[in-house]
Amino acid sequence: DTGVSQDPRHKITKRGQNVTFRCDPISEHNRLYWYRQTLGQGPEFLTYFQNEAQLEKSRLLSDRFSAERPKGSFSTLEIQRTEQGDSAMYLCASSLRGGGIVGELFFGEGSRLTVL
Amino acid sequence: RKEVEQDPGPFNVPEGATVAFNCTYSNSASQSFFWYRQDCRKEPKLLMSVYSSGNEDGRFTAQLNRASQYISLLIRDSKLSDSATYLCVGDSGGYQKVTFGIGTKLQVIP
Repeated sequence: DTGVSQDPRHKITKRGQNVTFRCDPISEHNRLYWYRQTLGQGPEFLTYFQNEAQLEKSRLLSDRFSAERPKGSFSTLEIQRTEQGDSAMYLCASSLRGGGIVGELFFGEGSRLTVL
Repeated sequence: RKEVEQDPGPFNVPEGATVAFNCTYSNSASQSFFWYRQDCRKEPKLLMSVYSSGNEDGRFTAQLNRASQYISLLIRDSKLSDSATYLCVGDSGGYQKVTFGIGTKLQVIP
C-alpha cells in the first residue's frame, strides 16, 4: 500500500496523559499536513511541513501540541497533558508541491483520539 | 471571520435532481481551490479542482468567481451514491496553508 498511513488508528487515554501519533506520507510527497476534525466540522488546520521545515502552525494550537518531521519523511504529532477537548480525529495528509500551486492532498484514514 | 465558509445543510434532494453548493472565501490572495468529498467516517478525497475558467467532470461542474470571492459546485442528475459531505477548500496565498470549510452535507433520496 503506497498511500498515507497513520498509527495508531484509535487511541483511548486518560486526561493528563501524553499521546503521540505517527504519519507516513506518500514517499515522493514533500508536503505534510496535520488536521483535526470533530463531528459535524470540517478538518481544522493544525500545522504543515515542507520537507523537514515546519512552515506554519495554527494559532489555535496550544503549547501542548508539537509536531516534527525530522528527516522530511514521516511525522509525529504529540499532545501533552491531554484534555477532554482534545478528543477528535487527527488527520494527516501529504501532497506534492510544484510550481507555486497547491497539489492534491492525499489523506490517511486518521487517528481517533478519545480522552476520558 | 472564517477563511472558507459554506452552508452546512443538509441538502435533501430527490434522485435525478440538480443541486448547487456555494462557498465563499475571505483571503483575496488565495490561488488554489478545490472541492473534496467526505463519506461518513472516512477521510476526505479530492473531487475536483476549481479553475477560473470553470471546469466540468461528468455530472459535476465547478466555478470560481474571483470578483465575488465564491466557489460553486453543481451536481446534475443526482445519484444515491452522491450522498456525502462536500468540503470547500482554499489555500492561503503565499504561505499555501490549505483551509477547509465546514462541509455541506448532501443526502440524495430515492
